[in-house]
Amino acid sequence: GENVEQHPSTLSVQEGDSAVIKCTYSDSASNYFPWYKQELGKRPQLIIDIRSNVGEKKDQRIAVTLNKTAKHFSLHITETQPEDSAVYFCAASPANTGFQKLVFGTGTRLLVSP
Amino acid sequence: DSGVTQTPKHLITATGQRVTLRCSPRSGDLSVYWYQQSLDQGLQFLIHYYNGEERAKGNILERFSAQQFPDLHSELNLSSLELGDSALYFCASSPGPKRDGELFFGEGSRLTVL
Repeated sequence: GENVEQHPSTLSVQEGDSAVIKCTYSDSASNYFPWYKQELGKRPQLIIDIRSNVGEKKDQRIAVTLNKTAKHFSLHITETQPEDSAVYFCAASPANTGFQKLVFGTGTRLLVSP
Repeated sequence: DSGVTQTPKHLITATGQRVTLRCSPRSGDLSVYWYQQSLDQGLQFLIHYYNGEERAKGNILERFSAQQFPDLHSELNLSSLELGDSALYFCASSPGPKRDGELFFGEGSRLTVL
């Protein structure tokens, strides 16, 4: 089955710096790659997603890139702010499941210091 | 507020006991997913229901079972509880039957097994 690895597990940056979180997946047929943000004690929420026919997608300060050949995708956060501090999860959706069956990475704890 | 309601929010019980977690999906959503999040762990997919039918199973133990009722709410039953079952259990819903799309998570049910 699909396996998603996520790095780093912890990332500390200064406010205003950029942060990059990387994920690799094993199933080359996976075709949907969302990123979820989970603030402390809160529920995960979708922040951005990308599909396999697109190489990059941006939404204000966040962007996701996808390299299907290498089977990896990354989350980029620019001009980080303290409110970006949270745990970020990448996920991959294996194809041919008929319905969504996301496999999540183990998460990256991002700490943005003022 | 995601529109997904989970009860109870917190539950403390003893080993060997049985508990039921309840989830009401967003209005109109036909798909319900259950995830387990242990301390400092990612989101482990347990099971997916669509319009009352089981559609996919993940790493769900035989001691655990779930169902989705005609009114689309879902229940996750955990029996013969062990200390290791202590975790945050999330329910998520999506409109379905799209192959991919945003999952809307509830606030979770935190289970503590003593």
